[in-house]
Amino acid sequence: NAGVMQNPRHLVRRRGQEARLRCSPMKGHSHVYWYRQLPEEGLKFMVYLQKENIIDESGMPKERFSAEFPKEGPSILRIQQVVRGDSAAYFCASSPMVASYNEQFFGPGTRLTVL
Amino acid sequence: LAKTTQPISMDSYEGQEVNITCSHNNIATNDYITWYQQFPSQGPRFIIQGYKTKVTNEVASLFIPADRKSSTLSLPRVSLSDTAVYYCLVGAVSSGSARQLTFGSGTQLTVLP
Repeated sequence: NAGVMQNPRHLVRRRGQEARLRCSPMKGHSHVYWYRQLPEEGLKFMVYLQKENIIDESGMPKERFSAEFPKEGPSILRIQQVVRGDSAAYFCASSPMVASYNEQFFGPGTRLTVL
Repeated sequence: LAKTTQPISMDSYEGQEVNITCSHNNIATNDYITWYQQFPSQGPRFIIQGYKTKVTNEVASLFIPADRKSSTLSLPRVSLSDTAVYYCLVGAVSSGSARQLTFGSGTQLTVLP
């Protein structure tokens, strides 16, 4: 059973370009979470999605960031017009169920570098 | 928000028991306490979760006092491979929210030979 998969593992973008980060949850998981981790810091929640629905995007910046989890295919975190401050590791996690259950399975992350 | 406070770092020797305490004074009734382990350049890995009293699995134990304002992760007989950052996470995921799914700065555990 493959774990959570993220690609690309490393992504380099110049300021003003778009970054697309993909996440394929574990088989059977329908809940996806995106986190951002700056160097030497903990993970910060960005958005929680179920298939075709955004459940909680309270941690996501209001501008330039968007996320989706379509009926078919991976979840996508999209960052438009990237700036140097967007450089970070972006982790995706999935879980099979909700309701006060915090066991999430994390992917290896995508390291975004903005030049 | 149930902010968590953990020691920044801890050192231990191989074979010793390590206890990492997390304070969460504002924990809510519905919140669970979850601990994750993270190695460099990897995603966090679930270790253990609990609501109250004591939980034990094959890798760790979690002690939660009655007031639930703190919790202690206990790692028995650590080895060098247990060197990692350990995060305490307090919160809950419900059908409409992923409230408080924010990790603190974590505790860097270094196991020495």
